[in-house]
Amino acid sequence: GAGVSQSPSNKVTEKGKDVELRCDPISGHTALYWYRQRLGQGLEFLIYFQGNSAPDKSGLPSDRFSAERTGESVSTLTIQRTQQEDSAVYLCASSQWSQGTEAFFGQGTRLTVV
Amino acid sequence: GQNIDQPTEMTATEGAIVQINCTYQTSGFNGLFWYQQHAGEAPTFLSYNVLDGLEEKGRFSSFLSRSKGYSYLLLKELQMKDSASYLCAVRDGGTYKYIFGTGTRLKVLA
Repeated sequence: GAGVSQSPSNKVTEKGKDVELRCDPISGHTALYWYRQRLGQGLEFLIYFQGNSAPDKSGLPSDRFSAERTGESVSTLTIQRTQQEDSAVYLCASSQWSQGTEAFFGQGTRLTVV
Repeated sequence: GQNIDQPTEMTATEGAIVQINCTYQTSGFNGLFWYQQHAGEAPTFLSYNVLDGLEEKGRFSSFLSRSKGYSYLLLKELQMKDSASYLCAVRDGGTYKYIFGTGTRLKVLA
């Protein structure tokens, strides 16, 4: 597609339920990133996929968080047994894997855990 | 390890010039990026530096000193629409991962 697409744009869920967030990157972008942004805060790195390499999961805050990516296309971020502190905007970005290329962001999924 | 520091908030007057500083320590370096983020919106790319010096793009300029681990974003002829958060990000030299600072919230006053 023309840009990075994320769905849903908004998600309200009850504490303890599982949620799945989707990201569709720009076609041809081999790198895909997930970030979390709490209200008024900066971008917190979660996970990074690059081609067929093992993903960099160093930013995942707990084992309730996991992500998958199929080849160089869609990625899903899953949060199990959601907690209120998981409430945030989850941003996905994609980029080419070469020097000097910027990351392009989707509009994000605003997750509210009640 | 990686660490990126920016001021939390800045205020400036319409028509003025403002400089937003960013210092970083990273284990590897493959470029420094500045993004603009309006409230409730996604970050959008502003500028990129990989070599020392100044890059100019209209009203916005960005400077990099790799030896000092320092960059700044210069905004000239400020407009009300420039009120936003400005995010400094470093791309790791080995993994090409982007690491973001916490952002600087800029308020432009009439």
